[in-house]
Amino acid sequence: GQNIDQPTEMTATEGAIVQINCTYQTSGFNGLFWYQQHAGEAPTFLSYNVLDGLEEKGRFSSFLSRSKGYSYLLLKELQMKDSASYLCAVRTGSSNTGKLIFGQGTTLQVKP
Amino acid sequence: KAGVTQTPRYLIKTRGQQVTLSCSPISGHRSVSWYQQTPGQGLQFLFEYFSETQRNKGNFPGRFSGRQFSNSRSEMNVSTLELGDSALYLCASSLKMGGAYNEQFFGPGTRLTVL
Repeated sequence: GQNIDQPTEMTATEGAIVQINCTYQTSGFNGLFWYQQHAGEAPTFLSYNVLDGLEEKGRFSSFLSRSKGYSYLLLKELQMKDSASYLCAVRTGSSNTGKLIFGQGTTLQVKP
Repeated sequence: KAGVTQTPRYLIKTRGQQVTLSCSPISGHRSVSWYQQTPGQGLQFLFEYFSETQRNKGNFPGRFSGRQFSNSRSEMNVSTLELGDSALYLCASSLKMGGAYNEQFFGPGTRLTVL
């Protein structure tokens, strides 16, 4: 079966660092994506990992360990506008499909 | 460059009716995927189209169907609507199918309410 787990909710303080974890068990793996979704809006792409290790993009970093079926999204210098849902998604199946399996999402609340 | 557009943005239907949703991908993108988002189930994959052919299908009943046109625009249809079909339907486009670093860009979605 396909299973992607993320914490449901997290709270952090403005200016702090927060780590959102994602574990997955899927039949096939062709990359892991992180998306940000503000309430009432479409998901927007944050990061992509296909090889083990850390990918850094400004205040956002994402890490992948394929052997452990584990990823995390690290958000630094939190801002109020970072309050949103963060979705972990795995591309499964053959390399010729774009199908993404999503986790339930982690709702992050940033407090002053 | 214009993003993914979806029409209509909001729709209210009654049980038993059918509905057609439309998606225009980013110019040059040839792959279109559809997802259903509900509070209980999260984002679930419906289907994926590339070059006017359905390449992949999720675990949804046959009431859910779709197609893609030669200009890459896509439509999805839901027949005999049920209350449980109330959801946000999201369309995502990408340059190609699969492959490394081939991210999907999402449209704003169509909010369907079934009464």
